[in-house]
Amino acid sequence: QSVLTQPPSASGAPGQRVTISCSGDRPNIGSNFVSWYRQFPGTAPKLLIYTNNKRPSGVPARFSGSKSGTSASLAISGLQSEDEGDYYCVTWDDSLDGPVFGGGTQLTVL
Amino acid sequence: QVTLRESGPALVKPTQTLILTCSFSGFSLSTNGMCVTWVRQPPGKALEWLALIDWDDEKYYSTSLKTRLTISKDTSKNQVVLTMTNMDPADTATYYCARVQWTGIYFDHWGQGALVTVSS
Repeated sequence: QSVLTQPPSASGAPGQRVTISCSGDRPNIGSNFVSWYRQFPGTAPKLLIYTNNKRPSGVPARFSGSKSGTSASLAISGLQSEDEGDYYCVTWDDSLDGPVFGGGTQLTVL
Repeated sequence: QVTLRESGPALVKPTQTLILTCSFSGFSLSTNGMCVTWVRQPPGKALEWLALIDWDDEKYYSTSLKTRLTISKDTSKNQVVLTMTNMDPADTATYYCARVQWTGIYFDHWGQGALVTVSS
């Protein structure tokens, strides 16, 4: 049981916009920055979004992040087949005194 | 260029102690705000955070695994070592090390991962 709650799956057609949610509580999302990662099968995760809404160099502007209260979201616009993969949210938890992960969302491009 | 690489045994027996080494380059763990962390992923399951060590040698552990984990660093060798005692088949997983930026707590560079199987 993950501290952060993500939907197990999400899907969208090519070109569409899809949003993945990440729900937490005051000690974690409510008090700290959120980051997002994408993982393809058999490979290491890759940073997509950090400090709620910033993109590392090389990550397309199609990816955007937001946070409100104790929830965060990752939005992917102009969906492409190569966006398929598993997406994870991460933040620090002040009560647990360490990072916590969401359970992951498997994105399918229809 | 920042790189990290995990190394250690691919197979350990139940009750044994696992020792994993993360060798990194492109940054120094003595630089303010730099951290290295360990994350694991059982086959087909989600990522799970294990431990983190920061530039000031502060250590943080998963509450559920705290009694079994030890993280340490050798700044001169650019290495971080994770020790996990009393291994169980449920600990079979790919173990990743990653660099963490303390300001914002995000994992900006990851190693390729090392699969560790626990079996007699």
